[in-house]
Amino acid sequence: HLVLTQSPSASASLGASVKLTCTLSSGRSDYAIAWHQQQPEKGPRYLLKVNSDGSPSKGDGIPDRFSGSSSGAERYLTISSLQSEDEADYYCQTWGTGIHVVFGGGTKLTVL
Amino acid sequence: EVQLVESGGGLVQPGGSLRLSCAASGFTFDSYAMSWVRQAPGKGLEWVSVISGSGDKTDYADSVKGRFTISRDNSQNTLYLQMDSLRADDTALYYCAKGYGNHFVSGSYRGSFDYWGQGTLVTVSS
Repeated sequence: HLVLTQSPSASASLGASVKLTCTLSSGRSDYAIAWHQQQPEKGPRYLLKVNSDGSPSKGDGIPDRFSGSSSGAERYLTISSLQSEDEADYYCQTWGTGIHVVFGGGTKLTVL
Repeated sequence: EVQLVESGGGLVQPGGSLRLSCAASGFTFDSYAMSWVRQAPGKGLEWVSVISGSGDKTDYADSVKGRFTISRDNSQNTLYLQMDSLRADDTALYYCAKGYGNHFVSGSYRGSFDYWGQGTLVTVSS
Protein backbone atom coordinates (compact mmCIF):
# COMPACT_ATOMS: atom_id res chain seq x y z
CA HIS A 1 0.00 0.00 0.00
CA LEU A 2 1.69 3.16 -1.25
CA VAL A 3 1.18 6.44 0.63
CA LEU A 4 2.28 9.94 -0.30
CA THR A 5 2.73 12.32 2.63
CA GLN A 6 2.59 16.11 2.28
CA SER A 7 2.61 18.85 4.91
CA PRO A 8 -0.90 20.36 5.12
CA SER A 9 0.33 23.92 4.82
CA ALA A 10 3.27 26.11 3.87
CA SER A 11 3.87 29.82 3.55
CA ALA A 12 6.43 32.14 2.05
CA SER A 13 6.74 35.79 1.15
CA LEU A 14 6.07 37.39 -2.20
CA GLY A 15 9.22 37.21 -4.33
CA ALA A 16 10.82 34.52 -2.15
CA SER A 17 11.26 30.80 -2.84
CA VAL A 18 9.51 27.84 -1.27
CA LYS A 19 10.23 24.10 -1.38
CA LEU A 20 7.31 21.70 -0.97
CA THR A 21 7.93 18.08 -0.04
CA CYS A 22 6.18 14.85 -0.97
CA THR A 23 7.41 11.73 0.84
CA LEU A 24 6.92 8.24 -0.57
CA SER A 25 6.15 5.49 1.92
CA SER A 26 8.97 3.16 2.84
CA GLY A 27 10.55 1.04 0.15
CA ARG A 28 9.29 3.21 -2.68
CA SER A 29 12.25 5.51 -3.23
CA ASP A 30 12.48 4.63 -6.93
CA TYR A 31 8.99 5.92 -7.83
CA ALA A 32 8.42 8.95 -10.01
CA ILE A 33 5.77 11.45 -9.00
CA ALA A 34 3.86 14.31 -10.62
CA TRP A 35 2.98 17.69 -9.10
CA HIS A 36 -0.37 19.36 -9.75
CA GLN A 37 -1.49 22.86 -8.78
CA GLN A 38 -5.05 23.79 -7.90
CA GLN A 39 -5.79 27.47 -7.61
CA PRO A 40 -8.91 28.49 -5.67
CA GLU A 41 -12.16 27.53 -7.39
CA LYS A 42 -10.31 26.03 -10.38
CA GLY A 43 -9.57 22.60 -11.74
CA PRO A 44 -6.10 21.16 -11.16
CA ARG A 45 -3.22 21.92 -13.50
CA TYR A 46 -0.30 19.61 -14.20
CA LEU A 47 3.03 21.22 -13.32
CA LEU A 48 5.77 18.65 -13.77
CA LYS A 49 6.94 15.09 -13.22
CA VAL A 50 9.91 14.23 -11.00
CA ASN A 51 11.75 10.97 -11.56
CA SER A 52 13.72 9.21 -8.83
CA ASP A 53 16.91 10.63 -10.33
CA GLY A 54 15.45 14.12 -9.99
CA SER A 55 15.02 14.75 -13.71
CA PRO A 56 11.81 16.74 -14.27
CA SER A 57 9.38 16.88 -17.15
CA LYS A 58 7.27 20.05 -17.23
CA GLY A 59 3.76 20.65 -18.43
CA ASP A 60 2.90 23.00 -21.27
CA GLY A 61 3.38 26.66 -20.42
CA ILE A 62 4.71 26.06 -16.92
CA PRO A 63 7.12 28.88 -16.03
CA ASP A 64 10.77 28.19 -15.25
CA ARG A 65 10.04 29.35 -11.69
CA PHE A 66 8.68 25.87 -11.04
CA SER A 67 11.23 23.09 -10.69
CA GLY A 68 11.39 19.58 -9.32
CA SER A 69 14.04 17.51 -7.59
CA SER A 70 14.45 14.31 -5.63
CA SER A 71 16.38 12.85 -2.71
CA GLY A 72 15.80 9.29 -1.55
CA ALA A 73 12.09 8.87 -0.87
CA GLU A 74 11.44 12.60 -0.99
CA ARG A 75 10.27 14.52 -4.02
CA TYR A 76 10.35 18.29 -4.08
CA LEU A 77 8.62 21.13 -5.84
CA THR A 78 10.48 24.42 -5.66
CA ILE A 79 8.76 27.64 -6.63
CA SER A 80 11.03 30.66 -6.95
CA SER A 81 10.14 34.35 -7.24
CA LEU A 82 6.76 33.68 -5.64
CA GLN A 83 3.82 35.51 -7.12
CA SER A 84 0.36 36.03 -5.69
CA GLU A 85 -1.14 33.61 -8.21
CA ASP A 86 1.04 30.83 -6.81
CA GLU A 87 -1.21 30.76 -3.76
CA ALA A 88 -2.89 27.41 -4.30
CA ASP A 89 -3.11 23.80 -3.20
CA TYR A 90 -0.34 21.55 -4.47
CA TYR A 91 -0.80 17.80 -4.85
CA CYS A 92 1.71 15.10 -5.60
CA GLN A 93 0.61 11.96 -7.42
CA THR A 94 2.24 8.66 -8.23
CA TRP A 95 1.62 5.30 -9.87
CA GLY A 96 3.22 1.89 -10.11
CA THR A 97 2.83 -1.72 -11.13
CA GLY A 98 0.15 -3.39 -9.09
CA ILE A 99 -0.95 -0.24 -7.31
CA HIS A 100 -3.67 2.23 -8.07
CA VAL A 101 -3.04 5.87 -8.89
CA VAL A 102 -2.37 7.69 -5.61
CA PHE A 103 -2.59 11.35 -4.60
CA GLY A 104 -1.01 12.96 -1.59
CA GLY A 105 -3.19 14.90 0.80
CA GLY A 106 -2.11 18.24 -0.62
CA THR A 107 -0.24 21.29 0.68
CA LYS A 108 -1.97 24.65 0.93
CA LEU A 109 0.54 27.35 0.02
CA THR A 110 -0.01 30.86 1.33
CA VAL A 111 1.91 33.73 -0.24
CA LEU A 112 2.48 36.40 2.38
CA GLU B 1 -5.46 23.47 -27.51
CA VAL B 2 -6.50 20.57 -25.28
CA GLN B 3 -9.98 20.97 -23.83
CA LEU B 4 -11.88 18.68 -21.47
CA VAL B 5 -15.49 19.58 -20.67
CA GLU B 6 -17.40 17.54 -18.11
CA SER B 7 -21.18 17.35 -17.88
CA GLY B 8 -23.92 15.25 -16.34
CA GLY B 9 -23.56 16.14 -12.68
CA GLY B 10 -26.52 16.94 -10.47
CA LEU B 11 -28.53 16.02 -7.41
CA VAL B 12 -29.41 12.35 -6.98
CA GLN B 13 -30.89 10.34 -4.14
CA PRO B 14 -28.89 7.67 -2.31
CA GLY B 15 -29.04 4.43 -4.27
CA GLY B 16 -29.61 6.29 -7.51
CA SER B 17 -27.59 6.45 -10.71
CA LEU B 18 -25.93 9.14 -12.80
CA ARG B 19 -23.80 9.16 -15.94
CA LEU B 20 -21.05 11.71 -16.36
CA SER B 21 -19.57 12.68 -19.71
CA CYS B 22 -16.32 14.37 -20.68
CA ALA B 23 -16.01 15.84 -24.17
CA ALA B 24 -12.39 16.00 -25.29
CA SER B 25 -10.74 17.98 -28.07
CA GLY B 26 -7.33 19.19 -29.19
CA PHE B 27 -5.50 15.85 -29.15
CA THR B 28 -5.68 12.35 -30.63
CA PHE B 29 -8.19 10.99 -28.16
CA ASP B 30 -7.68 7.24 -28.67
CA SER B 31 -3.93 7.52 -28.11
CA TYR B 32 -4.23 8.41 -24.44
CA ALA B 33 -5.55 6.95 -21.23
CA MET B 34 -8.30 8.95 -19.61
CA SER B 35 -9.27 9.15 -15.97
CA TRP B 36 -11.83 10.42 -13.47
CA VAL B 37 -10.67 12.09 -10.27
CA ARG B 38 -13.00 13.48 -7.62
CA GLN B 39 -12.80 16.03 -4.84
CA ALA B 40 -15.24 16.03 -1.94
CA PRO B 41 -16.14 19.47 -0.55
CA GLY B 42 -13.14 20.91 1.29
CA LYS B 43 -11.06 17.76 0.72
CA GLY B 44 -8.18 16.66 -1.47
CA LEU B 45 -8.06 14.86 -4.79
CA GLU B 46 -9.12 11.21 -4.93
CA TRP B 47 -8.48 9.08 -7.99
CA VAL B 48 -11.60 7.20 -9.14
CA SER B 49 -10.95 5.29 -12.36
CA VAL B 50 -8.83 5.08 -15.51
CA ILE B 51 -9.28 3.59 -18.98
CA SER B 52 -6.77 2.83 -21.71
CA GLY B 53 -6.83 4.54 -25.09
CA SER B 54 -8.53 1.63 -26.81
CA GLY B 55 -10.85 1.01 -23.89
CA ASP B 56 -9.67 -2.55 -23.27
CA LYS B 57 -8.09 -1.87 -19.89
CA THR B 58 -9.76 -0.30 -16.88
CA ASP B 59 -8.92 0.19 -13.23
CA TYR B 60 -10.96 1.44 -10.28
CA ALA B 61 -10.42 2.72 -6.78
CA ASP B 62 -11.58 0.25 -4.16
CA SER B 63 -14.18 2.78 -2.96
CA VAL B 64 -16.09 2.64 -6.27
CA LYS B 65 -15.29 -0.82 -7.63
CA GLY B 66 -18.46 -2.71 -8.53
CA ARG B 67 -20.58 0.46 -8.49
CA PHE B 68 -18.94 2.70 -11.13
CA THR B 69 -18.12 1.85 -14.76
CA ILE B 70 -15.74 3.85 -16.91
CA SER B 71 -16.05 3.75 -20.71
CA ARG B 72 -15.18 5.78 -23.76
CA ASP B 73 -16.45 6.39 -27.28
CA ASN B 74 -13.42 7.13 -29.41
CA SER B 75 -15.58 7.98 -32.42
CA GLN B 76 -17.12 10.80 -30.38
CA ASN B 77 -14.00 11.74 -28.36
CA THR B 78 -16.01 11.29 -25.20
CA LEU B 79 -15.27 9.70 -21.84
CA TYR B 80 -18.03 8.42 -19.55
CA LEU B 81 -18.51 7.42 -15.94
CA GLN B 82 -21.63 5.43 -15.10
CA MET B 83 -22.26 5.72 -11.38
CA ASP B 84 -24.73 3.31 -9.74
CA SER B 85 -25.71 2.65 -6.12
CA LEU B 86 -24.64 6.15 -5.23
CA ARG B 87 -23.93 7.00 -1.60
CA ALA B 88 -23.65 10.26 0.30
CA ASP B 89 -19.86 9.93 0.41
CA ASP B 90 -19.78 9.98 -3.42
CA THR B 91 -20.71 13.66 -3.22
CA ALA B 92 -17.88 15.51 -4.94
CA LEU B 93 -16.69 17.54 -7.86
CA TYR B 94 -15.74 15.04 -10.56
CA TYR B 95 -12.84 15.92 -12.85
CA CYS B 96 -11.91 14.35 -16.15
CA ALA B 97 -8.15 14.10 -16.73
CA LYS B 98 -6.06 13.20 -19.77
CA GLY B 99 -3.34 10.63 -19.26
CA TYR B 100 0.23 11.70 -19.96
CA GLY B 101 0.52 8.47 -21.96
CA ASN B 102 -1.23 5.14 -22.34
CA HIS B 103 1.00 2.78 -20.39
CA PHE B 104 -0.59 -0.02 -18.40
CA VAL B 105 1.28 -2.79 -16.60
CA SER B 106 -0.58 -5.67 -14.94
CA GLY B 107 -3.82 -3.71 -15.16
CA SER B 108 -2.46 -0.58 -13.51
CA TYR B 109 -2.02 2.74 -15.29
CA ARG B 110 1.53 3.94 -15.05
CA GLY B 111 1.64 7.67 -15.54
CA SER B 112 0.46 11.10 -14.59
CA PHE B 113 -2.27 13.38 -15.94
CA ASP B 114 -1.33 16.41 -17.99
CA TYR B 115 -4.67 18.12 -18.63
CA TRP B 116 -7.74 18.50 -16.47
CA GLY B 117 -11.30 19.68 -16.95
CA GLN B 118 -13.17 22.13 -14.73
CA GLY B 119 -15.30 19.46 -13.10
CA THR B 120 -18.97 18.60 -12.71
CA LEU B 121 -20.64 18.49 -9.29
CA VAL B 122 -22.40 15.37 -8.06
CA THR B 123 -24.52 15.67 -4.93
CA VAL B 124 -26.00 12.56 -3.36
CA SER B 125 -28.69 13.46 -0.88
CA SER B 126 -32.29 12.69 0.00
